[in-house]
Amino acid sequence: RKEVEQDPGPFNVPEGATVAFNCTYSNSASQSFFWYRQDCRKEPKLLMSVYSSGNEDGRFTAQLNRASQYISLLIRDSKLSDSATYLCVVNRGSGSARQLTFGSGTQLTVLP
Amino acid sequence: EPEVTQTPSHQVTQMGQEVILRCVPISNHLYFYWYRQILGQKVEFLVSFYNNEISEKSEIFDDQFSVERPDGSNFTLKIRSTKLEDSAMYFCASSEALVPYEQYFGPGTRLTVT
Repeated sequence: RKEVEQDPGPFNVPEGATVAFNCTYSNSASQSFFWYRQDCRKEPKLLMSVYSSGNEDGRFTAQLNRASQYISLLIRDSKLSDSATYLCVVNRGSGSARQLTFGSGTQLTVLP
Repeated sequence: EPEVTQTPSHQVTQMGQEVILRCVPISNHLYFYWYRQILGQKVEFLVSFYNNEISEKSEIFDDQFSVERPDGSNFTLKIRSTKLEDSAMYFCASSEALVPYEQYFGPGTRLTVT
């Protein structure tokens, strides 16, 4: 089983749509969870950390289910500028707290 | 907004040559990292560095790799004898000491080994 698994997409959605990305992770010892976005041939940029109680940042909402080892990201009212690859990222656990494991990413294209 | 910087943006080298990739982490960050991304593949952890020593490294980070903080601002990755399969984008990142250890990435150095 892959350490971090994401639906690769692509997701093509119209402007204004709501889109949801899902991710599962295999290491139950993971303690830190993130969503990054990556534009083509650019660096990963931190979108948001994901907390156990769920958290929201503007149009973006992240949820974590530790029991199911499942993370989600919801984007509301999507914009053209949201087009990117969304990376689900987890740390490797208490012994490797700062070693991040990346998913392969889900590609999003927002269409005019 | 403070950011991680990396030089050069693109490095072309011949197989067997040594390369040094340079990074300037965010100034108040204490943890530094190198990751790589082979074209079309996912980002992979190489090494983390804290208090002038390696704190974690992956299986990829073998004896041909080394890291150094030669002064108060720079953080370098050296590849001693490059191989074709070392061709990748190399990202430097840095983070503060606090959980959840949010890591901020530099723009990367594209390394091409011919």
